[in-house]
Amino acid sequence: DARVTQTPRHKVTEMGQEVTMRCQPILGHNTVFWYRQTMMQGLELLAYFRNRAPLDDSGMPKDRFSAEMPDATLATLKIQPSEPRDSAVYFCASGPYPSGSLHEQYFGPGTRLTVT
Amino acid sequence: QKEVEQDPGPLSVPEGAIVSLNCTYSNSAFQYFMWYRQYSRKGPELLMYTYSSGNKEDGRFTAQVDKSSKYISLFIRDSQPSDSATYLCAMQSRDDKIIFGKGTRLHILP
Repeated sequence: DARVTQTPRHKVTEMGQEVTMRCQPILGHNTVFWYRQTMMQGLELLAYFRNRAPLDDSGMPKDRFSAEMPDATLATLKIQPSEPRDSAVYFCASGPYPSGSLHEQYFGPGTRLTVT
Repeated sequence: QKEVEQDPGPLSVPEGAIVSLNCTYSNSAFQYFMWYRQYSRKGPELLMYTYSSGNKEDGRFTAQVDKSSKYISLFIRDSQPSDSATYLCAMQSRDDKIIFGKGTRLHILP
């Protein structure tokens, strides 16, 4: 049963600390997405990669957020320094197709981040 | 005007009823239209997607797209308590822009 996995599932941290979230996409998928979900804003696309190359990170606050794909089996989202307004559920998703096909995505279970 | 609008609900219907969920949009460049189901404290799950206008059916679920009205719908027939979840519409444009609605909470009453 192929699934997207995310770690950690829950993270509580203090303002100013660095937070790193990890994602393992479904094997063979070449597109990876990072989303943030809050009650107020809903699901927002932060960034996505295709074949490990960043294609769009326009939704991501550049001063504190960074996303990378060190290899095809690992994507990371880092926040440094974290702020209370970053509290949200962060989802990773992966998709099986190349260019233009964002319409088929498979989501992980999410990382619930609380910054105090 | 927001690019995608979706009534947050909650929408409560009795078991067995037909459910109609809807989204409106403003960007005529959207070409793929998706529906996701999200259970509480879980990730969204892709139900189905439609390219351009028309209908698509998968079991008890039917998706409809009316591009002239910029209106999409998801119908659930013979609704079950297990259908209780939040339903998110999403849309993809030609330039790889993707926007999600905020979701409609659905409760199926046994």
